[in-house]
Amino acid sequence: ILNVEQSPQSLHVQEGDSTNFTCSFPSSNFYALHWYRWETAKSPEALFVMTLNGDEKKKGRISATLNTKEGYSYLYIKGSQPEDSATYLCAFASGGTSYGKLTFGQGTILTVHP
Amino acid sequence: ETGVTQSPTHLIKTRGQQVTLRCSSQSGHNTVSWYQQALGQGPQFIFQYYREEENGRGNFPPRFSGLQFPNYSSELNVNALELDDSALYLCASSPGTSETQYFGPGTRLLVL
Repeated sequence: ILNVEQSPQSLHVQEGDSTNFTCSFPSSNFYALHWYRWETAKSPEALFVMTLNGDEKKKGRISATLNTKEGYSYLYIKGSQPEDSATYLCAFASGGTSYGKLTFGQGTILTVHP
Repeated sequence: ETGVTQSPTHLIKTRGQQVTLRCSSQSGHNTVSWYQQALGQGPQFIFQYYREEENGRGNFPPRFSGLQFPNYSSELNVNALELDDSALYLCASSPGTSETQYFGPGTRLLVL
């Protein structure tokens, strides 16, 4: 059974603070690591798909890094804004015949207070 | 917006009944995956369809079944509903089996 863990479970920050969360995943049979942002009453929105060890991706104020050898990824938000409030999900895709299947963590709920 | 739609948005059923949930994928996306999200958990993979054939299945019993149609629509069918089937059901389409998946807003199912 694949185990994908995210920490912290929830986070409250003030507007303007920078923050980061962690996603831990199995280091064997790695294919890809996905990050999604999920705002209340909307569809999960794809942020990044990362495939190579050492990958760094950036989208505006949000960036992510990947370490496949030790099995973790960090998501960073610089200068958090209230509109960043959402659940951030990571999902692990393994290789072989199951590479289409995403195994999700339980998510980190971010609340940014004005 | 992801261009993926699901219907209905909410549904209430009683134990033992059958339910069909529908998903309309982005045009050109030949892969659709279905996920179940119970309260407080991340989405769990139910199965994936590629070009109308099942292409992988998670740890769900056979009473969970699916169909994918040539017009980029798909269905999730659940027979003999149980109370634990109460959850948010998400579908996600992608251009290939291992690409970024684009999610719909989900169908919330309540089984009484």
